[in-house]
Formats: sequence, C-alpha cells, structure tokens
Amino acid sequence: ETGVTQSPTHLIKTRGQQVTLRCSSQSGHNTVSWYQQALGQGPQFIFQYYREEENGRGNFPPRFSGLQFPNYSSELNVNALELDDSALYLCASSLVGGGADTQYFGPGTRLTVL
Amino acid sequence: AQSVTQPDIHITVSEGASLELRCNYSYGATPYLFWYVQSPGQGLQLLLKYFSGDTLVQGIKGFEAEFKRSQSSFNLRKPSVHWSDAAEYFCAVGGNSGYSTLTFGKGTMLLVS
Repeated sequence: ETGVTQSPTHLIKTRGQQVTLRCSSQSGHNTVSWYQQALGQGPQFIFQYYREEENGRGNFPPRFSGLQFPNYSSELNVNALELDDSALYLCASSLVGGGADTQYFGPGTRLTVL
Repeated sequence: AQSVTQPDIHITVSEGASLELRCNYSYGATPYLFWYVQSPGQGLQLLLKYFSGDTLVQGIKGFEAEFKRSQSSFNLRKPSVHWSDAAEYFCAVGGNSGYSTLTFGKGTMLLVS
C-alpha cells in the first residue's frame, strides 16, 4: 500500500506567476483535500475533491483552483501568485463512505514566492 | 464554526518525564478528534483519533489521549518522553460525515531536554 505522495518537493516562483502542485492519493482512497500551512501556523483547509468534483472550500480566493482525476490524483493550481502564498502545501487523502473519515497527509510541497 | 485551541505554543520536557499537551475544541455536533505530529519540514503523521466509544484512545509511539466532552478537551499524553519525540504537535477536529474537513489548532512545539 503506497502512501500519499506530492510533487515537487520545493518550488520557487516570482510574484504574478502561476503554479501547479500535484498529489497522488493513498491506494484505495477516493477523496483529496488540500491545506495551506504558513510558517508557524496550523494547516488551513483550501478545498476538497470527491469524484472529480469540488466538495467543499475554505476561505481562499478563486485564484486557488484544483482538479481531481479519475485515478483520484489531484492538482492544486494557484494563479497570480502573491508573496503571502509562500507556505507548505499539504495534500491529504481519505476514503469517503468507508466509515470514519481519517485523512492521511503527504510530505508537502514548499512554495516560496519572491 | 468549529475551532481548536492549543494554549501552549512551546513546551519543554526532560527526557524520561511525562508529557501532556492540551487541546480544547469547539464543534456544534459530535466531533471527530485527531492528533498529528510534524517533524521539521515534513508532512503530518497521524498519532491517534477519537470517533466514539472509549474516551481514552491509544495511538502510535506510546501516546494516548482522553476525550472529555464536559470540558471540550482532547489532551495528549505520554508517560515517558524520548528525545525523538521533539516535534510539533497539532490537534484537529472534524465532523462525523463523510465530507468533513479538518480544522487545526496552531500547534504546540515540544522540546526535549
């Protein structure tokens, strides 16, 4: 059983650019959630995808968007990057409909915006 | 709205001493409660979770937590801390539906001396 994987590990972008982060969910999981963790803070929920549809969204602007693919992997896209977007982006997968909803996290992608 | 408070930003414990990390939550229905640990530059590893039943739950690495509904608390404990336990610990609350998301506290950094 493979765990949650994310790519790339680190990324440096400049303000105004666009970025795509990728996540492969744990084997057998059908739901992916994305979180942003700023330095010294707890993770904050961005959005969740289930069956390729956005299933819920936190307090993030529309320039944060995502996709989920038929194999349940997912992408997080951020347009018009701002300095405050610098953070660790965490992906978590879970199995909806399997009872208790436990989210398992990947190692994260560290995004630096200059 | 759901929320989690971890009142201690940093805690220093001597190796071999006991540990208790505090967590208070606010949630309008029956909560699911979690403790995760994060080593520097790493993702989150699940330590333990509470969904229902026995209010004292056991986790990995010798950790346990007790759910106290009357106090809206879910404190994490370990009887004897090892130097390798030094990390940041996050408490989180989620709902009991299949589409719930997690709300995290700001974390407690554990230092082991």
